[in-house]
Amino acid sequence: AAGVIQSPRHLIKEKRETATLKCYPIPRHDTVYWYQQGPGQDPQFLISFYEKMQSDKGSIPDRFSAQQFSDYHSELNMSSLELGDSALYFCASSPSPGTGVIWELFFGEGSRLTVL
Amino acid sequence: GNSVTQMEGPVTLSEEAFLTINCTYTATGYPSLFWYVQYPGEGLQLLLKATKADDKGSNKGFEATYRKETTSFHLEKGSVQVSDSAVYFCALSPPKTSYDKVIFGPGTSLSVIP
Repeated sequence: AAGVIQSPRHLIKEKRETATLKCYPIPRHDTVYWYQQGPGQDPQFLISFYEKMQSDKGSIPDRFSAQQFSDYHSELNMSSLELGDSALYFCASSPSPGTGVIWELFFGEGSRLTVL
Repeated sequence: GNSVTQMEGPVTLSEEAFLTINCTYTATGYPSLFWYVQYPGEGLQLLLKATKADDKGSNKGFEATYRKETTSFHLEKGSVQVSDSAVYFCALSPPKTSYDKVIFGPGTSLSVIP
């Protein structure tokens, strides 16, 4: 079965550079979530989108932005990178809510960003 | 607000030992409850889930029962293997009336030694 696809899997950047992460949700999933997991930490929610609109916002820095496109894929743009941005970034998707739907998140394998 | 608390790790067990990882939650209404597992160097995988009180989720020998009276969802396995070494995250999602995100506990690292 198709899963959530994230790219790139690994990314190395210098301080103050810009990075873009991409997420392709499971087909027919219209909701996308971004999480950040620092070393030894639990995943922290950044932002989510439903039907191409931002649906919720967590602890996302102002230097970061994200959007969901018409094909439901999402991109997380990170500018003025700092050492503390080094983390594993997860994307997850879910189907839209509905009666009888057992809702859960399906996670990608993550994109590991290293800022030097 | 909604939150998840887990027993602190790391937990080290010998192979074939009994495992319990405690998880309690705070939430309004009736959340869905999950256990996710993260193997070294990998992403998050859903291990099991329960969507209503007294439901028991099970997978790969792991079990957890949704206990509303104690707001708990403890993870158990009767006989652990070395391959179970991973970080385990308890998580909840509020009732699906909005698009609230999943809330994770801090994770419990498990090491199983031969």
